[in-house]
Amino acid sequence: SAVISQKPSRDICQRGTSLTIQCQVDSQVTMMFWYRQQPGQSLTLIATANQGSEATYESGFVIDKFPISRPNLTFSTLTVSNMSPEDSSIYLCSVSGTVVSGNTIYFGEGSWLTVV
Amino acid sequence: KQEVTQIPAALSVPEGENLVLNCSFTDSAIYNLQWFRQDPGKGLTSLLLIQSSQREQTSGRLNASLDKSSGRSTLYIAASQPGDSATYLCAVRGDSGGSNYKLTFGKGTLLTVNP
Repeated sequence: SAVISQKPSRDICQRGTSLTIQCQVDSQVTMMFWYRQQPGQSLTLIATANQGSEATYESGFVIDKFPISRPNLTFSTLTVSNMSPEDSSIYLCSVSGTVVSGNTIYFGEGSWLTVV
Repeated sequence: KQEVTQIPAALSVPEGENLVLNCSFTDSAIYNLQWFRQDPGKGLTSLLLIQSSQREQTSGRLNASLDKSSGRSTLYIAASQPGDSATYLCAVRGDSGGSNYKLTFGKGTLLTVNP
C-alpha cells in the first residue's frame, strides 16, 4: 500500500487567513485527490491534482478558494484561502495508481482545521 | 448523478456478534466499490476493494459482497471485537470508460462493539 503523509495534522486558524496543507507519498502515483469532510458529513471531492497541469475542480469548488499544486508524482499541496468558520473540516489527500496498489485508493491521515 | 446510501446509520452490538453493514448505489455502471474504516478524527483505512466483475472479497474476519445489477453491497464482520468500533464508509468509483477515479461516498455506518 501507499504511505501518505499529511501536514499539518491539526491547526487552529484565524478567520481571513490562508493555510497550505502538504501531502507527500512514498511512491510515484498517477492520481492525487483532495477531499473535504465537514463535521458529521461524508467525504466530498474538492479536486483532482494533475501533475504538470491545472487541477480539475468539482462543482462548488473554485481555484481561487482552493489553489492546488502538483509539482511532481509524489507531492501535492492544497491551500484553503481566506478561511471562514464554514471551512472547519478535515481535509484528506488520497492517491491511486501506484505500481503496487493499482486501482485501490488510499487516504492520508487528514488535516483537521478549525477556523475561529 | 451517483448516490450512495448506507444503512443503518449507527449500530451497537455486543462483542462476538456477527453483523452486516449495507450499502446501496443508484447507478449500477460502476468500476469498483471500496469499503473503508474511519476512526474518530482520523483518515480512512482501505478494507476491501471489489471490482465490478467480482462478487465478493474476503480479508480475515471481513467479507464484502457486490451485486452490481441491484446496486447493493454488504460488509460482513464476523465475531466482532471492541477494536472494530469505527465508522465504516462505502464508496463507488464511476465507470466513465476513461480514467475517472472519482469516488462517491455514503455517509457511513457508525459501529460500536461493546465489551
